[in-house]
Amino acid sequence: DTGVSQDPRHKITKRGQNVTFRCDPISEHNRLYWYRQTLGQGPEFLTYFQNEAQLEKSRLLSDRFSAERPKGSFSTLEIQRTEQGDSAMYLCASSSRDKTYGYTFGSGTRLTVV
Amino acid sequence: AQSVSQHNHHVILSEAASLELGCNYSYGGTVNLFWYVQYPGQHLQLLLKYFSGDPLVKGIKGFEAEFIKSKFSFNLRKPSVQWSDTAEYFCAVRSGGYQKVTFGTGTKLQVIP
Repeated sequence: DTGVSQDPRHKITKRGQNVTFRCDPISEHNRLYWYRQTLGQGPEFLTYFQNEAQLEKSRLLSDRFSAERPKGSFSTLEIQRTEQGDSAMYLCASSSRDKTYGYTFGSGTRLTVV
Repeated sequence: AQSVSQHNHHVILSEAASLELGCNYSYGGTVNLFWYVQYPGQHLQLLLKYFSGDPLVKGIKGFEAEFIKSKFSFNLRKPSVQWSDTAEYFCAVRSGGYQKVTFGTGTKLQVIP
């Protein structure tokens, strides 16, 4: 499968715990994006990487959220001290250097904070 | 800040009916426009996109969309829907030289056989 892979698919955690999600983009894509989607809403932008550089970051991304893409390949999104409001589907997408392409999305990680 | 409005939250059509889903965006400068589709149990997929040139854009599975700059609109159309078009459809816009894409809240389409 040469699509965008996300791991895990589902995560249930207790409030206050830290969680980390992983995204493996399409190998030749240098651009990677994280989005969050809650029920009844469209995806909301969180952050954007070009290679290893984090170039755009939403104000939605509070201090408890951090994302990395250390070698310009896979990326991780960490949420510290999770809150119930963090429950959502976290989506990763990638795109190529040619900006006329749209995103290729992964299947997402569904986070439930109890 | 850019925003996207999708007028219909839930649309129910019979097979062979024509489809038009509305989408309006707020940004006044140069925009890139997209429609994504999410079939039940699947991830978001690109349906079609507009960057420049012909404002009538054709996508996969017989879908098309028309960019009308004066109306800030990018409506999605299909002349004859099929049961397999049952899905949620998202309009999205990128503008201002940023990579961030803003999505609408989506329209759930249910096609009845």
